[in-house]
Amino acid sequence: EAQVTQNPRYLITVTGKKLTVTCSQNMNHEYMSWYRQDPGLGLRQIYYSMNVEVTDKGDVPEGYKVSRKEKRNFPLILESPSPNQTSLYFCASTPRRRGVTDEQYFGPGTRLTVT
Amino acid sequence: GQNIDQPTEMTATEGAIVQINCTYQTSGFNGLFWYQQHAGEAPTFLSYNVLDGLEEKGRFSSFLSRSKGYSYLLLKELQMKDSASYLCAVMGAAGNKLTFGGGTRVLVKP
Repeated sequence: EAQVTQNPRYLITVTGKKLTVTCSQNMNHEYMSWYRQDPGLGLRQIYYSMNVEVTDKGDVPEGYKVSRKEKRNFPLILESPSPNQTSLYFCASTPRRRGVTDEQYFGPGTRLTVT
Repeated sequence: GQNIDQPTEMTATEGAIVQINCTYQTSGFNGLFWYQQHAGEAPTFLSYNVLDGLEEKGRFSSFLSRSKGYSYLLLKELQMKDSASYLCAVMGAAGNKLTFGGGTRVLVKP
């Protein structure tokens, strides 16, 4: 089944404890992206990757890191999480059939709470 | 940068029609998307417009006017399962950054 998977789905952690949220897609998509969703603010892009070893900042990259060592995986790293990073996180991928203007397939989301 | 506006909430009756407007101001434009998101779930793709005009897909239609920076999503023959948030999103000129509006929560009443 074609899908985007994220792990963990739920996480409660403490300030300063490094964590990684994994994202994997099995559709051979080139483009992958991370978003956070907060009430009243909608979805905001954190980082995106056009292909392996190619990553760039989105609108809210502060406090986050990413890597794209292989096409299927795009982990999101929080080196020192803070309470303002409590949010719902979505990973997404795009096949780029029509250049880059194609629909994004979203993962199920990761609900992160930082205390 | 991008600025995208859509109403926060709308209420409609089962079987009726609802139109969700989206206005945008962007430094570049490479298409507009509409996504549906049920509470606690991931967004799912509804439509994509890059040229002016109406795109129809079953009960859902989406319209775009690039000169006015305006789009709408039209939901016909509303069903209870259409109660969800509807997200308008604009792709930037370089085709690599997708900016979302705050979403419109639609409540369908019997």
